[in-house]
Amino acid sequence: EVQLVQSGAEVKKPGESLKISCKGSGYSFTSYWIGWVRQMPGKGLEWMGIIYPGDSDTRYSPSFQGQVTISADKSISTAYLQWSSLKASDTAMYYCARQGQGSWFDPWGQGTLVTVSS
Amino acid sequence: SYVLTQPPSVSVAPGKTARITCGGNNIGSKSVHWYQQKPGQAPVLVIYYDSDRPSGIPERFSGSNSGNTATLTISRVEAGDEADYYCQVWDSTFYVFGTGTKVTVL
Repeated sequence: EVQLVQSGAEVKKPGESLKISCKGSGYSFTSYWIGWVRQMPGKGLEWMGIIYPGDSDTRYSPSFQGQVTISADKSISTAYLQWSSLKASDTAMYYCARQGQGSWFDPWGQGTLVTVSS
Repeated sequence: SYVLTQPPSVSVAPGKTARITCGGNNIGSKSVHWYQQKPGQAPVLVIYYDSDRPSGIPERFSGSNSGNTATLTISRVEAGDEADYYCQVWDSTFYVFGTGTKVTVL
């Protein structure tokens, strides 16, 4: 079974750094793109960026370029999303998802809730 | 940037048909994918390549795409179909999600 398992919920203060993870299993991790999607409370889905773990080729949405860093460690089949200095406006649910043979995303991870509050 | 517009809400009685639209400039030239998101859960792919269904998705879910509008149709609606639905396309370099539609089963 293809599965993406994300790290647990985080509570952070503004200015702190954070790295959340997404571990893939049940398929060749290096052969599929992994995307990250933000969902702010009560809002819709926003594509943040995508990485190809095979060679770490990474693309960012203009809205998130420079705000986050996406990386991957293919030796442990894990993709990451990180912030160097969190803001209250980063409070959201973050999902990773595998891009299929086309441009769709399936499956999705269970989500990681990030809360940034002083 | 490319914009996908969906109606905020659609209400439908059980057993009836729900149609959710996704508007975009010449969207008919792109491949459209649809996701269902129930409260507190991650999105689930229900339609890809405009009208294909992943395994495990009921035949009641179907899709079409032409001109400036793509449509997700849910036939014989059940209470369990109550959820938010999002369309999605790939626009050259970027992935774009629609604004989302909340389907309420009356």
